[in-house]
This record gives sequence, structure tokens and C-alpha cells, in this order.
Amino acid sequence: DAGVIQSPRHEVTEMGQEVTLRCKPISGHNSLFWYRQTMMRGLELLIYFNNNVPIDDSGMPEDRFSAKMPNASFSTLKIQPSEPRDSAVYFCASSLREGGSYEQYFGPGTRLTVT
Amino acid sequence: AQSVTQPDIHITVSEGASLELRCNYSYGATPYLFWYVQSPGQGLQLLLKYFSGDTLVQGIKGFEAEFKRSQSSFNLRKPSVHWSDAAEYFCAVGPLSGGYNKLIFGAGTRLAVHP
Repeated sequence: DAGVIQSPRHEVTEMGQEVTLRCKPISGHNSLFWYRQTMMRGLELLIYFNNNVPIDDSGMPEDRFSAKMPNASFSTLKIQPSEPRDSAVYFCASSLREGGSYEQYFGPGTRLTVT
Repeated sequence: AQSVTQPDIHITVSEGASLELRCNYSYGATPYLFWYVQSPGQGLQLLLKYFSGDTLVQGIKGFEAEFKRSQSSFNLRKPSVHWSDAAEYFCAVGPLSGGYNKLIFGAGTRLAVHP
């Protein structure tokens, strides 16, 4: 299995621009999570989906952030407009809800720099 | 409330020495417990997990962890550390109420290995 795939791996953009991060979960997994990691705040859960439906978006910092999961094999996290304080590493993780396993598998992350 | 505490932010050990990373949790029922490792520039990788049964679990890379219900702990151990073990280690507990695969992660322990 290819694991969780994220693109791009690195993104540098200017303040005010729109940024779209992409994630392909592990085939067969039905839960998907978006995290943000910074030195100051550590690992933060932004939003998670189950069967393509957003379950909890309470971690999304502002209305500038939005996430979608149009199908079981693709999700996006969009920031519009971006700000320098959005600079972080963004991780996507997937999990299989059934079977009582619960572990999450992480992608390699997207390092976002907003100048 | 459900929570995870990793008391040590940084730990430094010499190569070949033994290692123990502490993890304490607060959870209303029998938890599912996980240890993840994050090497620089990488995503989080699952080291091991505990669901039930034998309280001493073996993981990858020679790591093991012991679940102690009476102490609400799930400490990670390795008998002889290698330089390549230098990384950040995260303890996690779940699933959270609601029936979804949401996990709570600790703040992490950064391990440095001296030659």
C-alpha cells in the first residue's frame, strides 16, 4: 500500500494568496483527519471526516480555513486568504473505523510557508 | 476529561544506553494506547499499540511499552538506543467519545542521542 499521500510536500506563497493542500487516504479507510503542527502549539487536530462527512471542525482556526472530502479517496484543505501565521506543517491521517483498531496513519505532511 | 501527559519535553541519552519515555493518561474506560515516532521532516509513524491482553506490547525498531492501569501509564522503553532513534515521540489515547477514531496526542518528547 502506498500509504497516505499528500501534495504538495512544500508550498511557499505570499500573504493573501489561496492555498490548497491535498490528501489521498489509504484505500479502504473511512476516517480522515487534518492536523497542523507548529513549534509553538504542537500537533493540533483541525477537522475530521467519517465516510466523507465532516464530523468535527471545531479545530479549524478561522473561516479562512475550509476542508472538503468529495469522495473516499480525496480531501482538500484550503486557506483563503493565507496569512504568515498559517505557516506550519499540515498532516493528513487516515484510519479504519470498523474492527476496533483506531490507529491513524499519517502522510508525510505539507510544509507551508506564507511570506 | 480525557487527556495525555508526557512529562518530559526533552531527553538526552548516550548511544547504547537504555531509554524510558513516560506517558500518563486520563480516560474513563479501558483506553486504546499508541506510541508514534516522528523523525525530522517526516510524518508520524506508529511504533506500537495496546488494545487489550498482555500489558507488555512489542513494537517496531526494538521498542516496547507497558500498560499499567493502576498508574494510568503507558511508558515506552528500549534496552539499547541507537543514534537513529533521535526523533520526537508522541503518546496517544482514544477513541474519544462519540464512537469515532479521534485520538488525543501528548505534547511529545524530543529524544537526542549522544555518540
